[in-house]
Amino acid sequence: DIQMTQSPSSLSASIGDKVTITCRASQNIKTYLNWYQQKPGKAPKLLISSASSLHSGVPSRFSGSGSATDFTLTITSLQPEDFATYYCQQSYGNPYTFGQGSKVEIK
Amino acid sequence: QLHLQESGPGLVKPSETLSLTCTVSGGPISGSSYYWGWIRQPPGKGLEWIGSVYYSGSTHYNPSLRGRVTISVDTSNNQFSLKLSSVTASDTAVYYCARLTFDWLFGPWGQGALVTVSS
Repeated sequence: DIQMTQSPSSLSASIGDKVTITCRASQNIKTYLNWYQQKPGKAPKLLISSASSLHSGVPSRFSGSGSATDFTLTITSLQPEDFATYYCQQSYGNPYTFGQGSKVEIK
Repeated sequence: QLHLQESGPGLVKPSETLSLTCTVSGGPISGSSYYWGWIRQPPGKGLEWIGSVYYSGSTHYNPSLRGRVTISVDTSNNQFSLKLSSVTASDTAVYYCARLTFDWLFGPWGQGALVTVSS
């Protein structure tokens, strides 16, 4: 299985801050990396696919980068609605695995 | 707009079979260029893909669950189903159904159904 490791597991930030979350794959997954946002009690929502393609309707303050084994999700100017848990997911091969999540909390 | 809704028992006894159904509205399962799948999330933990089905009935399963899991599709009722046998407490989770693209992107998702395994 391809293991996905996110860091940090949690972070505290203020409105307007820039936030960076990293995701590392246990093997080269090219750019088969996707990011999801999950709010408490809700299902995840797709934010970014193929490492850097913003999903329809997702604000431009979200961006993704990376390839091979190292990937980054960046949120510029954090907004109140961005406080959530973020998951990376590899779509390179079965089983399609997720990272353990990175929780963004209000400072 | 596509909507998915999970249904099924919220409590299952150990060693029994967990059964859930996902009803899709707003678009047909049959003939679509998507997979339809199940993902679970134990309380306070991360996400695990369980498996997926195409409208033709072909399936992909997570090898960690293969042998216990069966996913099937009922195009006449626009539904697909999950059966997980020989459950234990570690199968307690919120179970989500979702549409998947052919390049394995998940969404939209159902609201999720909590299934507790307990005697």
